[in-house]
Amino acid sequence: DGGITQSPKYLFRKEGQNVTLSCEQNLNHDAMYWYRQDPGQGLRLIYYSQIVNDFQKGDIAEGYSVSREKKESFPLTVTSAQKNPTAFYLCASSIGVDTQYFGPGTRLTVL
Amino acid sequence: AQSVTQLDSHVSVSEGTPVLLRCNYSSSYSPSLFWYVQHPNKGLQLLLKYTSAATLVKGINGFEAEFKKSETSFHLTKPSAHMSDAAEYFCVVSDLSNTDKLIFGTGTRLQVFP
Repeated sequence: DGGITQSPKYLFRKEGQNVTLSCEQNLNHDAMYWYRQDPGQGLRLIYYSQIVNDFQKGDIAEGYSVSREKKESFPLTVTSAQKNPTAFYLCASSIGVDTQYFGPGTRLTVL
Repeated sequence: AQSVTQLDSHVSVSEGTPVLLRCNYSSSYSPSLFWYVQHPNKGLQLLLKYTSAATLVKGINGFEAEFKKSETSFHLTKPSAHMSDAAEYFCVVSDLSNTDKLIFGTGTRLQVFP
């Protein structure tokens, strides 16, 4: 069953802690993306990767970091430098240009 | 630069009546345009996409959208709403300066009343 998985579904973090969100895909897609979604807003791009071992900053990369050591995996770390990390985080992948396919999302809450 | 504007933040319809969700885009060229749907606490699902092959695009679940270049619009319609259509809908345009990037509208929340 092909698709994109994100884990965990819900995540709670204390202030000052780093936390890593998982994103895995078995679609054999080259490109992967991380978005942040806040209430009443569209999706904002955090980081994206077009190929293994390469990634680019999106529009709101400050306070986040990523790695792309494997084609299937694109984990996102939310660092303590991120001032307002509570949000819904969505991972996506695409085979090239255009259509992106999304995972189910991780809701991060900072306590 | 490309941009997309969803003209209504909320739309309410009765079950069985038509749905119209409005989207205008701004682009110097013919862009790729998409509609995605998001149910609560879920990821986004592609409804349909326009890539210049035909101006009327049919998608899943009975939705369709018409690309009108003269009006720079890409409105989403459905003849008869179902309760299961209640969700958030996003109009999206590809970023022609970086075709790996998508630009999202702020979303329209569709409510369907029985």
